[in-house]
Amino acid sequence: AQSVTQPDIHITVSEGASLELRCNYSYGATPYLFWYVQSPGQGLQLLLKYFSGDTLVQGIKGFEAEFKRSQSSFNLRKPSVHWSDAAEYFCAVGGNTDKLIFGTGTRLQVFP
Amino acid sequence: ETGVTQTPRHLVMGMTNKKSLKCEQHLGHNAMYWYKQSAKKPLELMFVYSLEERVENNSVPSRFSPECPNSSHLFLHLHTLQPEDSALYLCASSQEGTGGTDTQYFGPGTRLTVL
Repeated sequence: AQSVTQPDIHITVSEGASLELRCNYSYGATPYLFWYVQSPGQGLQLLLKYFSGDTLVQGIKGFEAEFKRSQSSFNLRKPSVHWSDAAEYFCAVGGNTDKLIFGTGTRLQVFP
Repeated sequence: ETGVTQTPRHLVMGMTNKKSLKCEQHLGHNAMYWYKQSAKKPLELMFVYSLEERVENNSVPSRFSPECPNSSHLFLHLHTLQPEDSALYLCASSQEGTGGTDTQYFGPGTRLTVL
């Protein structure tokens, strides 16, 4: 069955530090993988998406993610975090015949 | 207006009330979705409409009744809700509605509180 695990419920980093948010998925076929961000009081905004090609995907706001099929992972990274990146981040997996399944999210807190 | 809009942004209702949530997308998409977002739980897909036809009903209780009069508008009619229905209700749209491959664009949500 299709599933997504985000092991970290809450992460705190200092502004300017690097960031990595973990995402592991389970999917029987070729996955479509997404990262969304949700700021307080807002809906979800797409950061980036992967379905084929280069396994390192560039997104908006300086984020990138790397697809590692052998590890069933799609971790999100940013080299230097800004205070405005504080939000909740959701990983999601889907496919041609399946709906999109979301993880439970990782809340990012940024200290000055 | 651009993107996906939702009204109202906040709603408080009693268990015997009837209310409706409205969603409008200005992106020219063919598919629209209702999700329920509760604390510490993954987003739950409730309904999917593609070209105004319901293509998914994810075992949602009948006290939630969706309506899609055209490809730009989606409603969620609520009646005799329970306190556990309190949540953020998110609307989304996508170009084709092809399951889990299409990028979905979300509205800001309606925060619903059932007393």
